[in-house]
Amino acid sequence: AQRVTQPEKLLSVFKGAPVELKCNYSYSGSPELFWYVQYSRQRLQLLLRHISRESIKGFTADLNKGETSFHLKKPFAQEEDSAMYYCALSGQSGGSNYKLTFGKGTLLTVNP
Amino acid sequence: GAVVSQHPSRVICKSGTSVKIECRSLDFQATTMFWYRQFPKQSLMLMATSNEGSKATYEQGVEKDKFLINHASLTLSTLTVTSAHPEDSSFYICSAGEGGPVDTQYFGPGTRLTVL
Repeated sequence: AQRVTQPEKLLSVFKGAPVELKCNYSYSGSPELFWYVQYSRQRLQLLLRHISRESIKGFTADLNKGETSFHLKKPFAQEEDSAMYYCALSGQSGGSNYKLTFGKGTLLTVNP
Repeated sequence: GAVVSQHPSRVICKSGTSVKIECRSLDFQATTMFWYRQFPKQSLMLMATSNEGSKATYEQGVEKDKFLINHASLTLSTLTVTSAHPEDSSFYICSAGEGGPVDTQYFGPGTRLTVL
């Protein structure tokens, strides 16, 4: 079974402060991990995925297999970063299908 | 980027009726489409995975006779909630992709279903 845990339901920081959204996973195979973001009244969209090893909007995430974590970080938060963030794991669901399992999400609020 | 649309965006129906929700990939062909359900202030829960031309794969606990999924073409999947009841009221979201392990899923805007 695959499971994604986001321990913080809410996270509030001030503009310019560093932010870290935590994500831990459980999966018996080799995990593929993603962060998705949902801005207010918008659809869910991909923020970044670990295989790309890229930085999007200043966010980075490193896969730590030893700690089974994929925390999302940004050194200086901006007000426009306020959104719901979901960590997701892609794992095999049977046959050749892969499915995404989402964490419960963390609502990030960046205060001015 | 790839766009996924859903129709309708909002539907209100009487208990006992059936409701069909469409999910379309507008500018790409989606081998695989996924249907999720999202309760207020909760995460997305995968209901089923739909592959073009074959039967959908349902998650444990999801009634396949209740939630009928058809994926007749590479750009269209439909979810029909049959004999809807108030407890079926929810936000239904589809996504589309190529179905691989590192594939990006593109999400639709969601459909708000209210069953009276």
